[in-house]
Amino acid sequence: NAGVTQTPKFQVLKTGQSMTLQCAQDMNHEYMSWYRQDPGMGLRLIHYSVGAGITDQGEVPNGYNVSRSTTEDFPLRLLSAAPSQTSVYFCASSYSIGGRLYEQYFGPGTRLTVT
Amino acid sequence: AQSVSQHNHHVILSEAASLELGCNYSYGGTVNLFWYVQYPGQHLQLLLKYFSGDPLVKGIKGFEAEFIKSKFSFNLRKPSVQWSDTAEYFCAVNWNDYKLSFGAGTTVTVRA
Repeated sequence: NAGVTQTPKFQVLKTGQSMTLQCAQDMNHEYMSWYRQDPGMGLRLIHYSVGAGITDQGEVPNGYNVSRSTTEDFPLRLLSAAPSQTSVYFCASSYSIGGRLYEQYFGPGTRLTVT
Repeated sequence: AQSVSQHNHHVILSEAASLELGCNYSYGGTVNLFWYVQYPGQHLQLLLKYFSGDPLVKGIKGFEAEFIKSKFSFNLRKPSVQWSDTAEYFCAVNWNDYKLSFGAGTTVTVRA
C-alpha cells in the first residue's frame, strides 16, 4: 500500500495564480481532509470529506475549494493564490463512524510558497 | 469554539530525563484524544489515542498518556527520553464532529 500520496512536494506560485494540490489514498477510507501547518499554530483543518460527493468546511476554508468525485482522490484547489497561503499542506485519511475519527494517516506534505 | 492548548512551546531535555507534555481541551461532550509526532523532515504519525476505557493509554516508543476527564486534560509522558525523541508533538481532539483540532505543538529537543 502506498498510503496517502501528495503531489507536488514543493511549489512556488505568484500572487493571483491558481493551482491544484493532489491527494490520493489507497486504504479505502471514506474520510479525507486537508490541513495547513504554520509555525506556532499547529495544523488547521481547511476542508474535509466523509465520502464521495460530500465535502464540508473546516476551520480555515477561505480561498480554497475541494471536491470528492471518488473515494481515492481529494484535490485541493487554490483559486487565486495569496502570500497568506504560504504554508505546508497535509492531506490525511481515516475511518470515521458517526463523527468519531480514527487514526489519521498523513501524506508527506506539499510546501507552498506564494510570492 | 472548541480549542486545544498545549502548555509548552519548546522543551529541552537531556537523554534519560523524563518528559511530560501538557494538553488541555475545551468542554464539548464526548471526546476522542490523540497525540501525534512529527520527526524532522517527516510527516505526522500517531503516537497513541484514547476513545474510552482505561484512562491510562500506552503508545509506541514507550510513550503513555493519561486522560483526566475532570481536568479536560490528556498529558503525554515518557519516563526516559532518547536523542531520537527529538521531534514536534501535537495533541489533537475530535468531538465526534468529523473534525480534528490540533494544539499548537511542542518542540522537544533532546541533548545527547
